[in-house]
Amino acid sequence: GIQVEQSPPDLILQEGANSTLRCNFSDSVNNLQWFHQNPWGQLINLFYIPSGTKQNGRLSATTVATERYSLLYISSSQTTDSGVYFCAVETSGSRLTFGEGTQLTVNP
Amino acid sequence: NAGVTQTPKFQVLKTGQSMTLQCAQDMNHNSMYWYRQDPGMGLRLIYYSASEGTTDKGEVPNGYNVSRLNKREFSLRLESAAPSQTSVYFCASSRTGGVKSYGYTFGSGTRLTVV
Repeated sequence: GIQVEQSPPDLILQEGANSTLRCNFSDSVNNLQWFHQNPWGQLINLFYIPSGTKQNGRLSATTVATERYSLLYISSSQTTDSGVYFCAVETSGSRLTFGEGTQLTVNP
Repeated sequence: NAGVTQTPKFQVLKTGQSMTLQCAQDMNHNSMYWYRQDPGMGLRLIYYSASEGTTDKGEVPNGYNVSRLNKREFSLRLESAAPSQTSVYFCASSRTGGVKSYGYTFGSGTRLTVV
């Protein structure tokens, strides 16, 4: 099956810093999503981004489908950005294959 | 809107016991899913239902059964719980059109411990 690799596995930032999270996938996909899992375990969809660039406030994402990677940018990080960020890809149907996540800690 | 509601939130079982995790969505989504999340890992698909009346195996279906009771409800049953099934279980739903899904929404999870 398709492989999804995320990097870095862990990231510690000071409040106000910028960061880039990467997701590599091994085959062509129908769709790609970024999720944030907060410290209470709730999963929230951030972006649907099979290709191109999208922005939502301090977050933006870019997917280069031809090169099989996606990037999530977080600018001016806040403590509420802490948690785990997952990349998930859709291949057949609407089933998601998740990467192992990037654990982000933002210190005040 | 409540979104996706899972019950219970926490459960402790003894090895060999059975239980059913309940999930309901109020967004009129056609597709529903059960995932499990183990420590330090991403979510893995157990079973899914593309529409009412259909169910299919995901990546890790062994030891589980599911029922799509109607469009709103999708339950997951453990017939004989094993310690390897200790995990956090997430139900999700989405609207599926063509080859893509939209509005993927997760429940808040069920933390299951099998002793």
